[in-house]
Amino acid sequence: DTAVSQTPKYLVTQMGNDKSIKCEQNLGHDTMYWYKQDSKKFLKIMFSYNNKELIINETVPNRFSPKSPDKAHLNLHINSLELGDSAVYFCASSSQVEDTQYFGPGTRLTVL
Amino acid sequence: SQQGEEDPQALSIQEGENATMNCSYKTSINNLQWYRQNSGRGLVHLILIRSNEREKHSGRLRVTLDTSKKSSSLLITASRAADTASYFCATDGNDYKLSFGAGTTVTVRA
Repeated sequence: DTAVSQTPKYLVTQMGNDKSIKCEQNLGHDTMYWYKQDSKKFLKIMFSYNNKELIINETVPNRFSPKSPDKAHLNLHINSLELGDSAVYFCASSSQVEDTQYFGPGTRLTVL
Repeated sequence: SQQGEEDPQALSIQEGENATMNCSYKTSINNLQWYRQNSGRGLVHLILIRSNEREKHSGRLRVTLDTSKKSSSLLITASRAADTASYFCATDGNDYKLSFGAGTTVTVRA
């Protein structure tokens, strides 16, 4: 009965590959987010979807493409992976009524 | 750009002592939130304080907000080993997103 889940938890891949991270929430929330946490623990918003509509699109390379098939899922696809993409990626969700966000366990991406 | 900045970056205390960390931000906010992150885990929401509130309590947590100084503090009283974690402040402005600082790493020694 995990609230926000992400798969995979760890992802190790070579430079130039394409990979996807999946996120699902069972909280009935309308809004979902992707964050990137770097090695210094700085957490930066990347994207946000509200009811499958993109509402936040920060300055992120267009190699990153979010996809929301329904409001319970928000996936992140990354093309042509680079060394600098190595980080922990967190998915989160929130409701329109409540301001707090609920985070998934994170996906640690390592690009070799 | 980074909105909140926590201070200190790291804090080491003895079990039973209080831990205080501060957060400063740059622009006007609707609310300010504190989150905890245990090593290798996701962030967990601790407490939210709205811009018209000055102080809020939740269990052993006390949060203050001074909008004139654009700063907030988080006090954890009677710390326990389980409080060892990184603590982040996040500001919620009018742009539908939270802006996080880099966190304060708290170590509680037994």
